[in-house]
Amino acid sequence: QKEVEQDPGPLSVPEGAIVSLNCTYSNSAFQYFMWYRQYSRKGPELLMYTYSSGNKEDGRFTAQVDKSSKYISLFIRDSQPSDSATYLCAMSWGAQKLVFGQGTRLTINP
Amino acid sequence: DVKVTQSSRYLVKRTGEKVFLECVQDMDHENMFWYRQDPGLGLRLIYFSYDVKMKEKGDIPEGYSVSREKKERFSLILESASTNQTSMYLCASSWTNVGTEAFFGQGTRLTVV
Repeated sequence: QKEVEQDPGPLSVPEGAIVSLNCTYSNSAFQYFMWYRQYSRKGPELLMYTYSSGNKEDGRFTAQVDKSSKYISLFIRDSQPSDSATYLCAMSWGAQKLVFGQGTRLTINP
Repeated sequence: DVKVTQSSRYLVKRTGEKVFLECVQDMDHENMFWYRQDPGLGLRLIYFSYDVKMKEKGDIPEGYSVSREKKERFSLILESASTNQTSMYLCASSWTNVGTEAFFGQGTRLTVV
């Protein structure tokens, strides 16, 4: 079993829809949770960062962490074609190394 | 802004060649990482370094080695390139603080023929 599981998609939604991206994990020691966005032929860039459980909002993006269920989510409101990318969840337990999910390829259709 | 620069965007090498991938960061980060990214497998850690001349194996170190002679530079070496090392290679760096995020370079698409 992988430490972090993420549905690779692809996921295709119409412009303006609410998008929900999710990851599950098995290591209860994870404390730091991140979402990276990766455009085609580019390196990943940090989108959201959350410590422990709870919600964090930044503009159209909301990150949720439910440690009791070992489940994290990223919501995108009013999705735009420019949001089309691969989204990777990542997490760590305090060491410097991050453990990544497979990434979900998202397409927003105009 | 943090900048992590990889020396090449695209490389084509022949089987058996020794290949060097270079990465430079400009934020005085202690930690540097090399990942490879393959469809369906996500990012897999090859090696990382938490200080000059220090290195630790990641999840898939076989067939690779690394060098970190200066804090800002981390090199990945394919000793004898093989076709199964065709992949996207990503370099990243971070501060040593607990839970800190990693900053990535733009990636090197390596094709071994």
